[in-house]
Amino acid sequence: QQQVKQSPQSLIVQKGGISIINCAYENTAFDYFPWYQQFPGKGPALLIAIRPDVSEKKEGRFTISFNKSAKQFSLHIMDSQPGDSATYFCAALSSGGGADGLTFGKGTHLIIQP
Amino acid sequence: DAGVIQSPRHEVTEMGQEVTLRCKPISGHNSLFWYRQTMMRGLELLIYFNNNVPIDDSGMPEDRFSAKMPNASFSTLKIQPSEPRDSAVYFCASSFIDSGNYGYTFGSGTRLTVV
Repeated sequence: QQQVKQSPQSLIVQKGGISIINCAYENTAFDYFPWYQQFPGKGPALLIAIRPDVSEKKEGRFTISFNKSAKQFSLHIMDSQPGDSATYFCAALSSGGGADGLTFGKGTHLIIQP
Repeated sequence: DAGVIQSPRHEVTEMGQEVTLRCKPISGHNSLFWYRQTMMRGLELLIYFNNNVPIDDSGMPEDRFSAKMPNASFSTLKIQPSEPRDSAVYFCASSFIDSGNYGYTFGSGTRLTVV
């Protein structure tokens, strides 16, 4: 059972454009939603995260939008740069009852064309 | 801090051999996670430890897989016997799980090829 569904699988955006990646989840117990960025040959690195008590969180050019009723959240990369070319993963976790393992989406391969 | 350190970076082994992957978490972190990454299945959680105690190993695919964390600074993932379908990148991640902080730090991974 895929608990976190991510789309699209791949995305090509022109430099300076907005990259948008979407995720949907099923488990209503999830209460922590991070995004990770992975470059080839490296492990995923935490980019930005949100809790369901807010609808949006912004850090620099990266913004998470969260829709609790629809059980969806998305990552927006403003003014996309070639250095943003990487694989992006959304994830979710339920913190109730103690630490739980992150469940990841399948990933989006983002290419920013110069 | 050097981050999460995994060894080896690459491992090529023959089917049927025993493989041991190693991980040194970040000092002070109290949780450790082993993930497997493949193109088909993405990032899968295999097992995680909290304060060196295995909490959930439901992601371990078969009895051929085992993991240990003898102390706060070291963990191993062992596959015995290995099979070609075990070929993947194995990541270790650590975190300090407190109220509201669930950020994981991943190592660079071990790329395992079983021939």
